[in-house]
Amino acid sequence: KAGVTQTPRYLIKTRGQQVTLSCSPISGHRSVSWYQQTPGQGLQFLFEYFSETQRNKGNFPGRFSGRQFSNSRSEMNVSTLELGDSALYLCASSDAAGWQSSGEQYFGPGTRLTVT
Amino acid sequence: DQQVKQNSPSLSVQEGRISILNCDYTNSMFDYFLWYKKYPAEGPTFLISISSIKDKNEDGRFTVFLNKSAKHLSLHIVPSQPGDSAVYFCAASARGYGGSQGNLIFGKGTKLSVKP
Repeated sequence: KAGVTQTPRYLIKTRGQQVTLSCSPISGHRSVSWYQQTPGQGLQFLFEYFSETQRNKGNFPGRFSGRQFSNSRSEMNVSTLELGDSALYLCASSDAAGWQSSGEQYFGPGTRLTVT
Repeated sequence: DQQVKQNSPSLSVQEGRISILNCDYTNSMFDYFLWYKKYPAEGPTFLISISSIKDKNEDGRFTVFLNKSAKHLSLHIVPSQPGDSAVYFCAASARGYGGSQGNLIFGKGTKLSVKP
């Protein structure tokens, strides 16, 4: 089974621009979560999508948004980029359908975003 | 306020000895805990998990212990191998309380170095 893939792997943007990151989950997984990793804050949860619906959201401003398609692929968008948005953005998928399931998340390699 | 804390940023252990990584949490609603390992330039890799109804889970060289009264969990690696050198993250979720597995709260990680 192929793992979680994320594109692009590296991205350089300028302040004020917007960016879209893509994530393809493991085949059969319907839950996709996004995390931001920075040296100071560690791994922080952005949001989770399940069956095309946002199921959970972290404490990030509205500039961060996402969506999920019918094939479970997900995109994350950041508008009006700020220097502080420079980070590694990680996508994770799981087969979590309900709380009884194991729920382990499998991570992609991440997209390294640099905002200048 | 950090809900999941890994108070040791780094740990150095001799090959063949036991590695013990610790994690404390504050949220009583957490009912599922996971450990992830992360190498540079890769996404976190799931290692082992434990439900709050258990106090121990074992998988090969890895054992996780959960002490709910102390809100503390630990990961034991026996015997430690140089290939275990990585950053280890503790994570928690509140699956049974309306939360979802998709929202993991991570500690900031402990860098383990296993010396030959």
